[in-house]
Amino acid sequence: GAVVSQHPSWVICKSGTSVKIECRSLDFQATTMFWYRQFPKQSLMLMATSNEGSKATYEQGVEKDKFLINHASLTLSTLTVTSAHPEDSSFYICSARDLAGEVMYEQFFGPGTRLTVL
Amino acid sequence: GQNIDQPTEMTATEGAIVQINCTYQTSGFNGLFWYQQHAGEAPTFLSYNVLDGLEEKGRFSSFLSRSKGYSYLLLKELQMKDSASYLCAVPSGGGADGLTFGKGTHLIIQP
Repeated sequence: GAVVSQHPSWVICKSGTSVKIECRSLDFQATTMFWYRQFPKQSLMLMATSNEGSKATYEQGVEKDKFLINHASLTLSTLTVTSAHPEDSSFYICSARDLAGEVMYEQFFGPGTRLTVL
Repeated sequence: GQNIDQPTEMTATEGAIVQINCTYQTSGFNGLFWYQQHAGEAPTFLSYNVLDGLEEKGRFSSFLSRSKGYSYLLLKELQMKDSASYLCAVPSGGGADGLTFGKGTHLIIQP
């Protein structure tokens, strides 16, 4: 149980275009999902908390107009990188909390999406 | 805010034991996680400690001392597949439920 999927697993796009990444909880409902970013040889950095039915909460330094988050249902959150530039190239990972899970605060991670902006 | 410190890289021998340390400073404490991450993959959950002491789970054990702001992950009977990054993380706090990760310890297993 507690499986999280992401789509696509990798994407290459031209500078200036927008890219949408989907995160789905497959076998549980997630009122809260999280988006992280990981640059090469660095750790995961929390970008934002995605709340079902309400606005996302962004971490300091993350541009909310550039990284659009939508959490329209209990099993789906999307991250749209608008007007992507080469410096946005990174590994984007989502996670979700299973409120019925045994371990408080535990998050289940998706497999990640590698974004390369040319 | 939350601050986590762990060694950047460690090397160990197949079949041996290795201990990866993590020190943290947090505003409030809601437990500490250890995750394993292979290159290019998402992290996978290893352990969660919220009370002091040692928790054993097969070849992996995790220890916590809240008074010292210290945790370690102990890996026994090392296998080549254990070569990975090991991430120490704590809940971010401040009402958010996201995790703050340390920079990760890259563990290299040698034959």
